[in-house]
Amino acid sequence: SAVISQKPSRDICQRGTSLTIQCQVDSQVTMMFWYRQQPGQSLTLIATANQGSEATYESGFVIDKFPISRPNLTFSTLTVSNMSPEDSSIYLCSVARTQNTGELFFGEGSRLTVL
Amino acid sequence: DAKTTQPTSMDCAEGRAANLPCNHSTISGNEYVYWYRQIHSQGPQYIIHGLKNNETNEMASLIITEDRKSSTLILPHATLRDTAVYYCIVRVTGGSYIPTFGRGTSLIVHP
Repeated sequence: SAVISQKPSRDICQRGTSLTIQCQVDSQVTMMFWYRQQPGQSLTLIATANQGSEATYESGFVIDKFPISRPNLTFSTLTVSNMSPEDSSIYLCSVARTQNTGELFFGEGSRLTVL
Repeated sequence: DAKTTQPTSMDCAEGRAANLPCNHSTISGNEYVYWYRQIHSQGPQYIIHGLKNNETNEMASLIITEDRKSSTLILPHATLRDTAVYYCIVRVTGGSYIPTFGRGTSLIVHP
């Protein structure tokens, strides 16, 4: 398994501000993903975080709104920019050790409330 | 990756077996079936996966039909702590990996 630490675990933010969420893994992993889970909903994939290059975003998500960094094989950040109340969600970091292993491991999530 | 269909909700008595079905009729030969669960306010947790043979681990058993178009996750002796949303997904190992989750099945285990 992989131990994933996310910070912050929760935050309350003002409209128009930005927040950066950190994801730290206890070992090197190949694949890192960021998900959003809106209240009462399933997980929606935002993007795949690629080491040393731009993230791969899913339809409906753009880099200007959700910039992602992945400087190495154990760390990634997701920024939620210019927040609005509609961005209130749980944001989850997920990893897979290699591209050939299908098990995903998840952090506990970062619960974001935008006022 | 193939899509999956699961019942929205199920309930089960504590101590009884919980059988959660998943339909994946468009699954292709190199796609695995994965199961995860998400207990309230926690991140999802991997449970089990399989290709075509039945699988068992300390958490659950996975039964895959011979035609691989459906599968069943079995929790042999459900406890109150098994109350969670259970997600079934299929994916190709080693291919372009876009892990997507459906709405899952909300399992409520009652006393």
